[in-house]
This record gives sequence, structure tokens and C-alpha cells, in this order.
Amino acid sequence: KAGVTQTPRYLIKTRGQQVTLSCSPISGHRSVSWYQQTPGQGLQFLFEYFSETQRNKGNFPGRFSGRQFSNSRSEMNVSTLELGDSALYLCASSPGTGVHTGELFFGEGSRLTVL
Amino acid sequence: AQTVTQSQPEMSVQEAETVTLSCTYDTSESDYYLFWYKQPPSRQMILVIRQEAYKQQNATENRFSVNFQKAAKSFSLKISDSQLGDAAMYFCAYIKGDNYGQNFVFGPGTRLSVLP
Repeated sequence: KAGVTQTPRYLIKTRGQQVTLSCSPISGHRSVSWYQQTPGQGLQFLFEYFSETQRNKGNFPGRFSGRQFSNSRSEMNVSTLELGDSALYLCASSPGTGVHTGELFFGEGSRLTVL
Repeated sequence: AQTVTQSQPEMSVQEAETVTLSCTYDTSESDYYLFWYKQPPSRQMILVIRQEAYKQQNATENRFSVNFQKAAKSFSLKISDSQLGDAAMYFCAYIKGDNYGQNFVFGPGTRLSVLP
């Protein structure tokens, strides 16, 4: 069974640009959540999608947005990039329903550098 | 708001020895889950162990066990017979029991080094 796949793995952007990151969950998983990981703030929840609907959202500005497609693949977009957006963006998938085992399956992350 | 604290930014342990990583959390909920996740260098994060708050018995997974003290809101991870492959960042995490929005709250992490 293929794991969670995130693309691109590394990218460099300049301030003011926008970026789109992609996440393909484990087959059969309907929930995709996104986290931002930085040395200073640690892991912070961005948002979660289930069946193409955003079920939960963290405390990030509106420049951060996401969506989920009918095949459960998800994208997140960051517009008007700032230096502070440099981070490792982690995607995690889970079944999203049924017994709440709590296990998230993480991708390797997309490392964004903003210059 | 729920918070998770890990007071040890870095720890080291000799191979084959035992080490305990600390975690405390703050919540007013009675139904929740606690987890330890491991993030090896440049590799993806994986679940180490989970604990349901309603269970008094401490969870164990092979060489990994927890000491769950609900009243004290403490959730420490013990690694026995440490191996070189245990070197990683370890994150303590919390989620409400009824939260299907997957809003995990993570602690800041403890970097564990294993010395040969």
C-alpha cells in the first residue's frame, strides 16, 4: 500500500509569490490534514479536509487555503508569501471515520524556503 | 485551549539503556487521546504509541511504554533497550475524543540521541 505522497519535496520562492503544495493520501483514506512545522513554533495545525469539505481550521491567516478533490487528493495554497512562511509543510491522512484510533499517516513533507 | 509541553528539548541515552521522555498537557476535557510520534532525521513522522484517557492501564508497544498520570496530566514515554534507530525527534500529541477534525495539538518535541 503506497504511503502519503507530497509534492514537491523542496521549493524556493520569493516574497509576494504564491505556492501550491499537493498531497495524495493513502488509498481509502478520506481525511487529509495539513501542518506547518518550524523550529520556533513546532507543529501547528493548518486545516483538515474530509470528503471535499473543510472540517476544521487552525489559526492561520486567510493567505493559507486548501481544497480536497473527489479522489481525496488535497492541495494547499499560500498566497503573498512572507519570509515567515518558510517551513516544512506536512500532510497527514487517516480514514476519517469509524473508530477514532487517532493514527495519522504522514508524508515526508514539502520544504518551502521563501527568500 | 489545550496545550502540550515537553520540558526536555534534547536527551541522550547510551545504546541498550533506558530513557524516559516527559510530557505534560493541559485540558478541561475528560475524553481525549494522547500519542507519541517519532520523526527520524529527514524521514516521515510515525506513530509510536497511543493512550486513551479513559483507560487506566498504561499502553505498551514492545520496547516503548508510557506512564499515564491522568490527575497530574502527565504522559511520559519510556524507551527500553535503546537502539541506534531510536534516534529521532519525539513529539507528544493530544486530540479531543470527539474531534474528527484531526486538530492534533503537538508539543515542541524532544530530540533524542542514542550513543553507541
